[in-house]
Parts: sequence; structure tokens; C-alpha cells
Amino acid sequence: DIVMTQSPDSLAVSLGERATINCKSSQNVLYSSSNKNYLAWYQQKPGQPPKLLFTWASTRESGVPDRFSGSGSGTDFTLTISSLQAEDVAVYYCQQYYSMPLTFGGGTKVEIK
Amino acid sequence: EVQLVVSGGGLVQPGRSLRLSCKASGFAFDDYSMHWVRQAPGKGLEWVSGISWNTDDIDYADSVKGRFTISRDNGKNSLYLQMNSLRPEDTALYYCAKGPLTTVTSSWFAPWGQGTLVTVSS
Repeated sequence: DIVMTQSPDSLAVSLGERATINCKSSQNVLYSSSNKNYLAWYQQKPGQPPKLLFTWASTRESGVPDRFSGSGSGTDFTLTISSLQAEDVAVYYCQQYYSMPLTFGGGTKVEIK
Repeated sequence: EVQLVVSGGGLVQPGRSLRLSCKASGFAFDDYSMHWVRQAPGKGLEWVSGISWNTDDIDYADSVKGRFTISRDNGKNSLYLQMNSLRPEDTALYYCAKGPLTTVTSSWFAPWGQGTLVTVSS
């Protein structure tokens, strides 16, 4: 199984400042023939189901603000919130879809400092 | 609007069974794989099971293999999860979620239903 490890477990960022979340996979999730990374990011606000933010590591879903960006390749990935807003308080998860079983990172809780 | 409405959760004793249902609307249900993902209280997300559009491809997490059975009825736009031999560690909020393709593999999840809480306790 591919193990997804997120860091940090939590972070507190001031409004308007940058938040950076890391996700590391135990195996490469870059499919060489397509040159695509099989990596998704989700946002889960309190009391709500997760919401898909990115697929293919960096393809933003419709309606996701452009202050969110996804980057990385192979085994190391990053979700960045360039200017944290109050509505971004949530837990963020990465997920690999390169191989079965589908697996998630442990989550990173983002709070306001 | 795509909607996934999950039902069937509740309190059940260890060793007993429960069946979850997920009613889909707003999209061509039989064109997509469907999945169950669970979240233990205060914990992270765990994929449980997925089923392809035509039921030819079904997969399970090792933690539920042999105890849980996923199924779907495309005529009723519904997904099911039959959970047998339940254990306390199965206590979680169970979400159903739509995959992006007909197949189970290479799946991300969007959207998600609201979830139903399953509590396994004596």
C-alpha cells in the first residue's frame, strides 16, 4: 500500500499570510507514460464532508479560489494557501489514486493565529 | 445539482450487521464508479470500498474484506454497503462518494454525501 504522510499535523497562520502543507507518498505516484501525478487534495470544514480542491496534484477544481495552489511531483507535494482567509480554516487531506487501495494522508489542520 | 443522500447508520452491537444506502441524483449514476469512505470520530479518512459502473470491478480495504459487501442498483440510482460482523473499530461516519470514471482504479472523490454515523458498541 502507498502510505501518505502529511506535515505538519496542524498549523496556525495569521490572516493574509501564507500556509504551506506538505504531503509525501511512500512510492512514486507519477505515471510516466502520461507524466501525470495521481494526487488529489481535499478540504474538510467542521461538520462537513470533504470537498475536492485539486486533482493531478495541481489542477484546481472549478470554484476553488486561486489563492490555493498545488505543486510537486513524484513523491513530494505541497498545498499552498497564499493569503489565508477566515473561511479557509479546515483540515486538508491529500490522497493518492495511483494504485489500490486508495489512501489518504492523515490530515493537516489549519487555524488562524 | 449532484446529490448523494446516505442513510442506514445507527447503533449496533459487535458482531451484528447493518446496511447503508446512498441515493444519487443529478448525474448519470450508471456512468460512474461509486465509493464508500469512512472517518472515525476525530480521525482521518479511510477508503472502504469501490464499485465500477457495471459491478465488474469491486475492491475493498483489507480492514473490511470478507465482512463488507458493496453493491449498486443502477435502476434505482443507489449504492449500498452491507456490513457484517461489525467491530468497535468500524465505528465511523460513512460517506458515499462519486468517482470520476467508470472504473474503481484511478479514483478521486467528488462530490461526497453528508455521511451516516455507524456506532458499534455493546
